[in-house]
Amino acid sequence: KQEVTQIPAALSVPEGENLVLNCSFTDSAIYNLQWFRQDPGKGLTSLLLIQSSQREQTSGRLNASLDKSSGRSTLYIAASQPGDSATYLCAVTGSQGNLIFGKGTKLSVKP
Amino acid sequence: SQTIHQWPATLVQPVGSPLSLECTVEGTSNPNLYWYRQAAGRGLQLLFYSVGIGQISSEVPQNLSASRPQDRQFILSSKKLLLSDSGFYLCAWSSGLAGGPDTQYFGPGTRLTVL
Repeated sequence: KQEVTQIPAALSVPEGENLVLNCSFTDSAIYNLQWFRQDPGKGLTSLLLIQSSQREQTSGRLNASLDKSSGRSTLYIAASQPGDSATYLCAVTGSQGNLIFGKGTKLSVKP
Repeated sequence: SQTIHQWPATLVQPVGSPLSLECTVEGTSNPNLYWYRQAAGRGLQLLFYSVGIGQISSEVPQNLSASRPQDRQFILSSKKLLLSDSGFYLCAWSSGLAGGPDTQYFGPGTRLTVL
């Protein structure tokens, strides 16, 4: 059974810092991996999707990497801003297209 | 462009009462549709998914059910709510095109509190 773990559970950094969020999964047979952002009480916003054949994806200040063989992904956020404060969720896609989520990392960027 | 709607946004219901949450998608045809639940302190869990009208797959046993009466409408129901049904319910869609799973797009969610 696929399990997704995210470390750390919470992170607080000063504005301007570069930071890394970690995600690991137990079964390397995935179709893709996605990173989402969730603001309090709101739905999810898809940030980046990495296909199983890819190593990384970039969007603006965000860069996500995927190492399928070791079951790891990282989300790198450059020059963090207070507006980046949110919970970041990692999810892998199973054989039916369903997503298996980690519990998230709650990020707080202090001005 | 595609949009996904959920209602109601918040709901407070007594134990034993029925439930109906609705999700609709605009701007796309034949989407895959999903219901997720996020319980307090836990990650998101897939409840149901649908690849077409009348086709529902359940991921976990529970007292909830789902229906897809129209191509772009997905309904989550219960005949009698339990306290453990409280949580944040998210509906999502993906393109459903051949070639493998695609990005899923999520609705704004429904916050359900069962008292």
